[in-house]
Amino acid sequence: RKEVEQDPGPFNVPEGATVAFNCTYSNSASQSFFWYRQDCRKEPKLLMSVYSSGNEDGRFTAQLNRASQYISLLIRDSKLSDSATYLCAVEYGNKLVFGAGTILRVKS
Amino acid sequence: GAVVSQHPSRVICKSGTSVKIECRSLDFQATTMFWYRQFPKQSLMLMATSNEGSKATYEQGVEKDKFLINHASLTLSTLTVTSAHPEDSSFYICSAGDRAWQETQYFGPGTRLLVL
Repeated sequence: RKEVEQDPGPFNVPEGATVAFNCTYSNSASQSFFWYRQDCRKEPKLLMSVYSSGNEDGRFTAQLNRASQYISLLIRDSKLSDSATYLCAVEYGNKLVFGAGTILRVKS
Repeated sequence: GAVVSQHPSRVICKSGTSVKIECRSLDFQATTMFWYRQFPKQSLMLMATSNEGSKATYEQGVEKDKFLINHASLTLSTLTVTSAHPEDSSFYICSAGDRAWQETQYFGPGTRLLVL
């Protein structure tokens, strides 16, 4: 089993749609989780950290399910500008391990 | 947020030459810096963890004699790709964290290396 797994997509959605991504991880001892956004040929940018209680930032909601070892990202009211690759990152001891990313394409 | 710079942003070199990439934290002291490599349509793969004042910790399968890392100060880490070959062509990205790096890492803009 890979350390961090994501559905590569692409997810093609219309503007205004709600879309959700999951990311599974294998290390039950991991304590820190993140979602990053990466635009084409650019570096990843931190979107949000994922807390045990879940957290929300505007149209974005992140949740953690420790029992099933996955984190999720929900995007409401999708905008064209949300089109990007979304990477999850999971702490493994003294480093972060990234998923391969999920491609989101929002179309008008 | 914190700013991390990388230089150069793009480099094209001949096979067999060495290339140095600099990573700087501009507004905070980075006790830990990470070097990643990303091939097209793949995820970031951690190459090594660089700690200020000590030797870097390399991930399995990464040749430490080929990818030389120096972290001489709290604001600068360098990665030197020695005797580069076409298969080393990739997007190299550094990230930096402060003492609480687990809270977040700040990425540099990356360096695109093309070895001819």
